[in-house]
Amino acid sequence: KQEVTQIPAALSVPEGENLVLNCSFTDSAIYNLQWFRQDPGKGLTSLLLIQSSQREQTSGRLNASLDKSSGRSTLYIAASQPGDSATYLCAVSDLEGAQKLVFGQGTRLTINP
Amino acid sequence: KAGVTQTPRYLIKTRGQQVTLSCSPISGHRSVSWYQQTPGQGLQFLFEYFSETQRNKGNFPGRFSGRQFSNSRSEMNVSTLELGDSALYLCASSPPGRIYNEQFFGPGTRLTVL
Repeated sequence: KQEVTQIPAALSVPEGENLVLNCSFTDSAIYNLQWFRQDPGKGLTSLLLIQSSQREQTSGRLNASLDKSSGRSTLYIAASQPGDSATYLCAVSDLEGAQKLVFGQGTRLTINP
Repeated sequence: KAGVTQTPRYLIKTRGQQVTLSCSPISGHRSVSWYQQTPGQGLQFLFEYFSETQRNKGNFPGRFSGRQFSNSRSEMNVSTLELGDSALYLCASSPPGRIYNEQFFGPGTRLTVL
């Protein structure tokens, strides 16, 4: 059974810092990995999707990497801003259920002005 | 293009009642998945529908059911509500013909069971 873990559970940093969020998964036979952002009480916004054959994806100040063999992904946020404050979730889908995402518990990020 | 829409946004029900939630996917998307989000369990997959057929199912009791219509709109139903069913219910849609199945989520329906 696939399990996804995100560390740390919460992170508070001053504005302008570069930061890394971590995600690990127990079964390396994944189809893809997605990073999402969730604002309080709201739905999920897709940030980046990494296919199983890829090593990384970039969008603006965000960069996500994937190491399938070690079961790890990282989300790098450059030059953080107060508007980046949210909960960040990673999710994986496996070969048996490509639309069935297994989520981590998330990292609650606070950027202090 | 309009995003995924969910109605209603908020619901209050009492134990024992039943509830139906609705999800309209992004135009052209044929796959709709449902998730339950609670503070204790996080986000958990309920089921996925594609072309009016349930294609995948999570580990939830039979009180949770769903269906999809020919226009890809989907509904989920929860019967005999329990206090523990209080949650944010999210649906997501995916475009056809893409190998890598990126999912796009709606704003959710907040269900409170009293």
